[in-house]
Amino acid sequence: DAMVIQNPRYQVTQFGKPVTLSCSQTLNHNVMYWYQQKSSQAPKLLFHYYDKDFNNEADTPDNFQSRRPNTSFCFLDIRSPGLGDAAMYLCATSRSSGGTDTQYFGPGTRLTVL
Amino acid sequence: SQQGEEDPQALSIQEGENATMNCSYKTSINNLQWYRQNSGRGLVHLILIRSNEREKHSGRLRVTLDTSKKSSSLLITASRAADTASYFCARRNTGFQKLVFGTGTRLLVSP
Repeated sequence: DAMVIQNPRYQVTQFGKPVTLSCSQTLNHNVMYWYQQKSSQAPKLLFHYYDKDFNNEADTPDNFQSRRPNTSFCFLDIRSPGLGDAAMYLCATSRSSGGTDTQYFGPGTRLTVL
Repeated sequence: SQQGEEDPQALSIQEGENATMNCSYKTSINNLQWYRQNSGRGLVHLILIRSNEREKHSGRLRVTLDTSKKSSSLLITASRAADTASYFCARRNTGFQKLVFGTGTRLLVSP
């Protein structure tokens, strides 16, 4: 049973053309995260939501935005993708945002920018 | 950098052998977690060790933590080809809430 679902699994976009990646969860978790992972690198946290509270990482470019319309869904919007934004984008959830909570990851969306 | 460092970066072994991966960090932690990532997939949580624990086991996995040396190790015993994946440590720093992932170890287990 899928718990964290990401669509699409593969996304191709053109340089500068806005793109939206989606994530949904069936875990009813409070926290949803977006990570960017480039080849052979560690996942890098972009931002997270605790319920409706948005928390942006200091070094996340303004080009990246996020929306969480309800508990189950969270979207990553890349307003003007550049070649450097090609990466795997991982969505994750957790019950809360601290302590011993672990994160549940989706399968990822691989973004290609032409 | 806040990232933990993992070594080796890559490890190649035969089925049945043990695999040991190490993770070092620089700040005080609340806990440290290990995740596995199969190629092109999301991460899967394996095991969590709290800062006041020294060793934990889960099946063929054994994790140790030495807070005085700020290091942790993951041992996979009797490895299988299906263990082929990248393994990441992730620490929850004291006073901070987010997980900080290490650079990962790519494990290849050959039949």
